[in-house]
Amino acid sequence: GAGVSQTPSNKVTEKGKYVELRCDPISGHTALYWYRQSLGQGPEFLIYFQGTGAADDSGLPNDRFFAVRPEGSVSTLKIQRTERGDSAVYLCASSSSGGQGGEQFFGPGTRLTVL
Amino acid sequence: AQSVTQLDSHVSVSEGTPVLLRCNYSSSYSPSLFWYVQHPNKGLQLLLKYTSAATLVKGINGFEAEFKKSETSFHLTKPSAHMSDAAEYFCVVSDSGGYQKVTFGTGTKLQVIP
Repeated sequence: GAGVSQTPSNKVTEKGKYVELRCDPISGHTALYWYRQSLGQGPEFLIYFQGTGAADDSGLPNDRFFAVRPEGSVSTLKIQRTERGDSAVYLCASSSSGGQGGEQFFGPGTRLTVL
Repeated sequence: AQSVTQLDSHVSVSEGTPVLLRCNYSSSYSPSLFWYVQHPNKGLQLLLKYTSAATLVKGINGFEAEFKKSETSFHLTKPSAHMSDAAEYFCVVSDSGGYQKVTFGTGTKLQVIP
């Protein structure tokens, strides 16, 4: 079966532009997570969805970042007025449940470069 | 609050010798603990997980880790390193907060010398 997919794999944009990053989770997985991984660092939690709702968005760095999951499957991470500091690999993961101990399956990531 | 500390940013071993990657955690609840591996240009892959069952956990590719509550440690070991083990390894902690919000360590890059 297909794993978690993310598109695009690479995105280069200019400072101040708007970008959207897409995540297709494993079919049937109710939990979906977004992370950001800067160079030389571990992934940093951004937001968690259970179904269609954002159960925890405490990791979003500021109000330029927003994510949606309107039908409880595909999710889009939206970044407005991008800044050079937003450059990172954005990872998506899904899990069959949001409970403790459930394995998260990660996508390959989207590498965002803001010039 | 939860946190995890990976004590070594880089570890270098010779092929065929043991591997030890160290991890200490902090958690307000009974934690779940994980080790993930990230090969260059590849996605994160789960190696093993601890969720309050047996304290010695066996994972894929011959790796294992032991949960030691008294030491708040969850070190990753392998008896004999293989060239294909060269990668970055992340220790991950999750509080028993009702859902799996996890915190990653900063990673340990494992180099295997032929």
